[in-house]
Amino acid sequence: EPEVTQTPSHQVTQMGQEVILRCVPISNHLYFYWYRQILGQKVEFLVSFYNNEISEKSEIFDDQFSVERPDGSNFTLKIRSTKLEDSAMYFCASGPWEGRTEAFFGQGTRLTVV
Amino acid sequence: AQKVTQAQTEISVVEKEDVTLDCVYETRDTTYYLFWYKQPPSGELVFLIRRNSFDEQNEISGRYSWNFQKSTSSFNFTITASQVVDSAVYFCALIQNSGNTPLVFGKGTRLSVIA
Repeated sequence: EPEVTQTPSHQVTQMGQEVILRCVPISNHLYFYWYRQILGQKVEFLVSFYNNEISEKSEIFDDQFSVERPDGSNFTLKIRSTKLEDSAMYFCASGPWEGRTEAFFGQGTRLTVV
Repeated sequence: AQKVTQAQTEISVVEKEDVTLDCVYETRDTTYYLFWYKQPPSGELVFLIRRNSFDEQNEISGRYSWNFQKSTSSFNFTITASQVVDSAVYFCALIQNSGNTPLVFGKGTRLSVIA
């Protein structure tokens, strides 16, 4: 069964460093998302991406965040200058071609900023 | 605005008991989709079910069943004969059909099934 894959599964970084979280969505999906879950809290939407551009973003997704689909298969989330409060689980998701009504999630990347 | 409320923060049951997880939602749209996801201790989000707003039929899948009631804006999830492997955090989520809106999650219910 096709699945969304994320790498790395866990990343530790120093405050102020840049990190790139990587995702390979399901191959025939057209809609891509990043969500964040701070430990013990609910899953929150960050950004959606369609047709090679951001289609929607939340208030959380400020100027330190950016997304890219560099090669037609990977979908990346870059955090430019990490802060302690960026420590969270980051989930990538993709949605099927026929609509956005269902999102399949990757296994997540746990980011720890120290 | 859309909102999902899972009033039960934590539930603890003994193995083989039935347990119902509550989900109440708010949306102004007439067309929307409701979801349940399971998050086991390993952290991934596992899709369980999607239900559209026009389909109020209850659904059963093995030991899992879902009760969708538009009149009370609820989409409750019941696990019959619970097992230790059911221990996880369960999230209810909503997506509106209009515009390009994302999934909105509830805060989750942590279910602990004790042997």
